[in-house]
Amino acid sequence: EAQVTQNPRYLITVTGKKLTVTCSQNMNHEYMSWYRQDPGLGLRQIYYSMNVEVTDKGDVPEGYKVSRKEKRNFPLILESPSPNQTSLYFCASSLSRQGDPQYFGPGTRLLVL
Amino acid sequence: EDQVTQSPEALRLQEGESSSLNCSYTVSGLRGLFWYRQDPGKGPEFLFTLYSAGEEKEKERLKATLTKKESFLHITAPKPEDSATYLCAAQGPGGYNKLIFGAGTRLAVHP
Repeated sequence: EAQVTQNPRYLITVTGKKLTVTCSQNMNHEYMSWYRQDPGLGLRQIYYSMNVEVTDKGDVPEGYKVSRKEKRNFPLILESPSPNQTSLYFCASSLSRQGDPQYFGPGTRLLVL
Repeated sequence: EDQVTQSPEALRLQEGESSSLNCSYTVSGLRGLFWYRQDPGKGPEFLFTLYSAGEEKEKERLKATLTKKESFLHITAPKPEDSATYLCAAQGPGGYNKLIFGAGTRLAVHP
């Protein structure tokens, strides 16, 4: 089944404790992206990757890091999480052509205390 | 600034009562207008892509249309299982493949 998977699905952590949210897709998509979703603000892009070893900032990149060492994986790293990073996070992937739809993972709900 | 606005914020319908959701966009050089459905606690599920004004797409009780400034999602004879948040997103030429999302319309269909 074609899908985007994320782990963990739920995470409670404390301020400053480094964490990684994994994202994997099995559709051989070149493009992958991370979004956060907050009430009243909608979905906002954090980082994206056009292909292996090619990443760039989205609209809200502060406090986040990403890497793309393999085509299928695109982990999101929070080196020193803060309470304002409490949110619902989604990974998405698509073919690289503009106009192709992005397919989203199930989401990771993060609470930073 | 590129922007996507959806209305209404919330919509309550009786089963079988048809209606439309609106998505207004200000994106120069539109590359695609996307509709997604999102159920509580889940990721957005892709519904449609529209590329040019005048284009229409249908899927079951849903029909999406596009003009130069707006897109509409028409829901014909909705059922309770159509209850969800419907998200509209626009993609312009800037920010490689970036989607600009609206805040969504929460649809509740009651029996």
